[in-house]
This record gives sequence, structure tokens and C-alpha cells, in this order.
Amino acid sequence: DGGITQSPKYLFRKEGQNVTLSCEQNLNHDAMYWYRQDPGQGLRLIYYSQIVNDFQKGDIAEGYSVSREKKESFPLTVTSAQKNPTAFYLCASKGTPTRATNEKLFFGSGTQLSVL
Amino acid sequence: AQSVTQPDIHITVSEGASLELRCNYSYGATPYLFWYVQSPGQGLQLLLKYFSGDTLVQGIKGFEAEFKRSQSSFNLRKPSVHWSDAAEYFCAVGALMNYGGATNKLIFGTGTLLAVQP
Repeated sequence: DGGITQSPKYLFRKEGQNVTLSCEQNLNHDAMYWYRQDPGQGLRLIYYSQIVNDFQKGDIAEGYSVSREKKESFPLTVTSAQKNPTAFYLCASKGTPTRATNEKLFFGSGTQLSVL
Repeated sequence: AQSVTQPDIHITVSEGASLELRCNYSYGATPYLFWYVQSPGQGLQLLLKYFSGDTLVQGIKGFEAEFKRSQSSFNLRKPSVHWSDAAEYFCAVGALMNYGGATNKLIFGTGTLLAVQP
């Protein structure tokens, strides 16, 4: 079955450490997104990529980095520069709409990142 | 199990007409409820949210939503639609989860695609 997979489900980070969250999709989608969710708040866009080898900053990109070397993969690195990394991270993907179809947004199951 | 249902996959309205997008949820306690909009080529944008208090919530871009516990609904409304409102709209419910502290995981509906006719 096609879908979008995030790993790990839970991740702990030590002070000053970089950690990478994985997001893989086998839906042949062009666009991928990373969102952050904090308790009691909505989603905020960190980075997004419309096509391979290209990505743009979202609303809260500081302290994060991404890469899009393959269509299927859009890993997010939370760097030591991100001073408040504890949050729930959600990855999403979407195909390119055509005249006849609208590609739905697919979400991964999320990664909970906590600071030790 | 928590779930969100958006029964309308596509809706077409005329510009200037009123709009109501339906959202029903299944949740065992008081939910946190959200409406998001995604315009073509963009990420999700939060329109409004409900946590507690007044059941009629005002959002951005002239949208509002009403929480009805008896109907397990959180329908999105706008009195007069503009052509720029054409987008996909997602309803979501927040489920409390604990990882050594409370946080929220959002469960999304499948979305409603809104088309606006001139």
C-alpha cells in the first residue's frame, strides 16, 4: 500500500545535538512538507519542497535544515541552533493536481521530539 | 478511536454566496478542533481553532466555525465567498497524548475542495 512513513515515532535529543527526522513516501508525490505542532497550537510550516532538489523556508525555518535529493525522501534535521525543539513533527506530501484530479494531502503519523 | 469526517469532497459555490463546510468528529473527551486551508502550491494555513469557551469561533479571512457538542460537529462558515477562497479545506481534531508531558497529535479529515464560480 502506498503511504507516507515517518520515523522514529519518539526521539530524544541531548543539548547541543543535531537530530534527523525521516520522512519517506512511495506515492510518487512531488510536494512534501514539514510542520511543527506545539501543545495547544495549530501546525506551523517549517520547510516545504515542491520538487526534487528544491525547497523553501516556511514560517519557522530557523534552527532547521532539510534536503530533497530523492523524490521519495524529505529528511528534517533539527540543529543545535533550535533552542526549543520539543514538539510534535508532522510530515506531509501531495501530488501535482491535474485538470481532472485534485491530489489529496497525505500525512505521516508524526514524530515526537523531546529534549533530555 | 478518534476520527474526523468531512463528508463533502468537492463543493462549488458562486462568488458572493454563503458557504458552509461540514466537519464531524469522534472523540471521547472535549476535543481541540481546527480548520486549515491549503491554497495551490502552499502549505497549510490555520484559519481558526476551538479549545474551550464560546462555541462560535472567529477566524481569519472572514471565516467562523461553530462547535456543537450534541452533533459532534465543527462546521466552517463564511457569509460571502470570494474567488480567492478557492482552495482545499481541512478539519482536524487534537488528541491528547503523553510523552512525559502533554502534547497534541492532530487527526485530519480528508479535505473538502472548494471551487468558486464567477
